[in-house]
Parts: sequence; C-alpha cells; structure tokens
Amino acid sequence: DAGVTQSPTHLIKTRGQHVTLRCSPISGHKSVSWYQQVLGQGPQFIFQYYEKEERGRGNFPDRFSARQFPNYSSELNVNALLLGDSALYLCASSSEGVVGAGELFFGEGSRLTVL
Amino acid sequence: GQNIDQPTEMTATEGAIVQINCTYQTSGFNGLFWYQQHAGEAPTFLSYNVLDGLEEKGRFSSFLSRSKGYSYLLLKELQMKDSASYLCAVSFSGATNKLIFGTGTLLAVQP
Repeated sequence: DAGVTQSPTHLIKTRGQHVTLRCSPISGHKSVSWYQQVLGQGPQFIFQYYEKEERGRGNFPDRFSARQFPNYSSELNVNALLLGDSALYLCASSSEGVVGAGELFFGEGSRLTVL
Repeated sequence: GQNIDQPTEMTATEGAIVQINCTYQTSGFNGLFWYQQHAGEAPTFLSYNVLDGLEEKGRFSSFLSRSKGYSYLLLKELQMKDSASYLCAVSFSGATNKLIFGTGTLLAVQP
C-alpha cells in the first residue's frame, strides 16, 4: 500500500509568489495534518483537517490556508511568500481525528526554498 | 507555553547504549511520542506512551513519568544506521488534534 504522498518534493519560489503543496493520505485515512519544519527545528503544527473540516489551526498568519477534498487529499496554500517560509512542509495522515487514537504517518515532505 | 525540551546533540559509540531525555509541561498532558528522522527524510514513528512505565520494542525502549513530566528513549546495541534526529512530541488535552514537537536530538553514532 502507498504511504502518504506529497508533491512537489522540491520547489524554489521568489518572495511575494504563491505556492500550492499537495498531499494524498494513506488509503482509508480521513485526517490530514500539515506541519512546517525549519532546518534544525522540530515540526510545527499548521493545520489539521478531518472529514473535510478544519479541526485545528496553529500559530501561522492568514497567508497560510488549506483545504481537504472529498477523496481526503489536501492542499496547503501559502500566499505572499517570505524568506522565512523556506522550510520542509510535512503532511501527516491518520485514521482518526485525535492524535493518540491513531498513529500519525508522515510523508517525505515538500522542501520549499524562497529566494 | 507548552515547551518540549530535549538535548540538541548527542554522540555515542557503535554497540553502546544511549538515553535521550525529554521534559515537558505536565498540565494537560495527553500522550507522548518518539519519532526518528534521518536527514532529508520523513519522521517515522518509534513509540507512544500514555501511561507511566517502560515500553520496550526491540532495541528501542521508551519510558514515561507523567508526574515528573519526563520521558526518555533508550537505544541499545547502537548501529551506525541509528544516526538520526530523534523527535519527542506531546499531545495535550484540549488540542488532541496536534502534536507539539521538541527541537529534536541529533544523535551521531561513531565507530
């Protein structure tokens, strides 16, 4: 079975541009979470979606938005990119909406570089 | 805040045992996870502790003391492939839809 898949794996953007990152969860998983991991740091929670509804939002500006589609895949959008948005963006899927009730499985991530 | 504290770096010798500590704020604690992350790769799940005590899984064990806000990950019979970052993450009640991660402990295993 395929794990969590993310695309693109690497991308380079310039300041002010917009980016869309995509994630397909493990088949049967209804929850998708997005995390930002800056080099040398642990992942930071951005969003969680469960059954197509936003269930949580981390401390990120409104430039960050996301959605979940009927097939449970998800997109993360970031507008007006800043240099500080350069990071590895991780998608995690789980069968449950509550962490601990189901294990979180992470994708390989999308590495965004903003120049 | 809900700070998760762990050492930044550790070095150990192949075949030895290493213990990576993690401390967290006890208020609202729901569960604690350990993940392994090799450079440039996704974090992979190692263990989940919700009750006090030791959970053993092969060469890896994880311990939790809820009253002390303390956990450790024990790696035995170290192998070179164990060189990686080890992330401690906690879920808190009222926000059980997310994990709060520490900065990670970069473990270097030397011959």
